[in-house]
Amino acid sequence: GDSVTQMEGPVTLSEEAFLTINCTYTATGYPSLFWYVQYPGEGLQLLLKATKADDKGSNKGFEATYRKETTSFHLEKGSVQVSDSAVYFCALKETNAGKSTFGDGTTLTVKP
Amino acid sequence: NAGVTQTPKFQVLKTGQSMTLQCAQDMNHEYMSWYRQDPGMGLRLIHYSVGAGITDQGEVPNGYNVSRSTTEDFPLRLLSAAPSQTSVYFCASSGVDGGPYNEQFFGPGTRLTVL
Repeated sequence: GDSVTQMEGPVTLSEEAFLTINCTYTATGYPSLFWYVQYPGEGLQLLLKATKADDKGSNKGFEATYRKETTSFHLEKGSVQVSDSAVYFCALKETNAGKSTFGDGTTLTVKP
Repeated sequence: NAGVTQTPKFQVLKTGQSMTLQCAQDMNHEYMSWYRQDPGMGLRLIHYSVGAGITDQGEVPNGYNVSRSTTEDFPLRLLSAAPSQTSVYFCASSGVDGGPYNEQFFGPGTRLTVL
């Protein structure tokens, strides 16, 4: 079955540091890939997505590239801020599957 | 648009009680799902639906029932609550693949405690 493996956390960085959160996946077809973010006490919200190989998703300074050859979708940001502190989830969705598969989440804390 | 709404936000039950968590979306999405989130375990899929009248089991369906009589609503029923069902429950909806919104839209969650 489908699966998503995320870099284990928690991750603690200083403000303006470079961020990478690794994500690899296993899927039978050609899924869409997503990064979601969850702030304390809230539901998940979409951060960025990519629907086919070599697509790059980007939003709010975050970016991730769909790498079919390495089955990866690593999240990066060049300079994190305190406000980026949250839990980040990598996910995949098979075409017409109607459901998504999530990684376990990575908690990011950014210190001033 | 209100997006995905869930009620109640908080609920305390005694072991053996039953209840229904409500979920509604106003985006005309075909797909809807229920997840539970427990510390250190990410999101686990309980049940999902690909359209009105069609539901299927996810990873952890035992102790829960769902139905989808309309496109908008997807209630989750706890048949006989157990302490192991203490969790945060999220409902989500998404559009069909190939359209502009195939990502999931999440509700704010219901925090359930079973004593």
